[in-house]
Amino acid sequence: QQPVQSPQAVILREGEDAVINCSSSKALYSVHWYRQKHGEAPVFLMILLKGGEQKGHDKISASFNEKKQQSSLYLTASQLSYSGTYFCGTEEWGRGTYKYIFGTGTRLKVLA
Amino acid sequence: DTEVTQTPKHLVMGMTNKKSLKCEQHMGHRAMYWYKQKAKKPPELMFVYSYEKLSINESVPSRFSPECPNSSLLNLHLHALQPEDSALYLCASSQVGGTQYNEQFFGPGTRLTVL
Repeated sequence: QQPVQSPQAVILREGEDAVINCSSSKALYSVHWYRQKHGEAPVFLMILLKGGEQKGHDKISASFNEKKQQSSLYLTASQLSYSGTYFCGTEEWGRGTYKYIFGTGTRLKVLA
Repeated sequence: DTEVTQTPKHLVMGMTNKKSLKCEQHMGHRAMYWYKQKAKKPPELMFVYSYEKLSINESVPSRFSPECPNSSLLNLHLHALQPEDSALYLCASSQVGGTQYNEQFFGPGTRLTVL
């Protein structure tokens, strides 16, 4: 089942902060975050594996809740270069099965 | 070299044509992926190769046939496609560690139009 991201779209001014959420109805093995600019390939941002984990670099960070059903991506002091569509990518492992599913996506636009 | 390359960039084909998409990486990654992405939608996983063996096939129609000739190359053979197969086809690669697949590096994609 595809993880649901919220909000679907957000518009910011440079320097403003944003939070993007990725929610699943069941526990996930891991969460990956990607940014895709229009007409380009997705670019990996970070991966979270453990419940309660938080990580980040520069002004982009992410968290994974204890139940591993929700992850949030935090963009602080946004820059024009942050514009694009953000996807969470989730792994689910079952009995001999593996699924990699992208979330519904969040379109982010940063204005000068 | 942290690049995944894909050829061609654009492809227009008729429903009776046979064509192939190519993907190459030289990062030593042992997992390679094919995704299909429709406009304004997230990528959808089609196939995963791990150590040159097909490990995941997400119930993709047989008109799509993947091939992994070696650890650096991944092909997607196309035959008798339908107009609804028009999309951006993305290739990605990653390391394989333990029981998880790691961060994926994506190629620029092939924009496919089926007439």
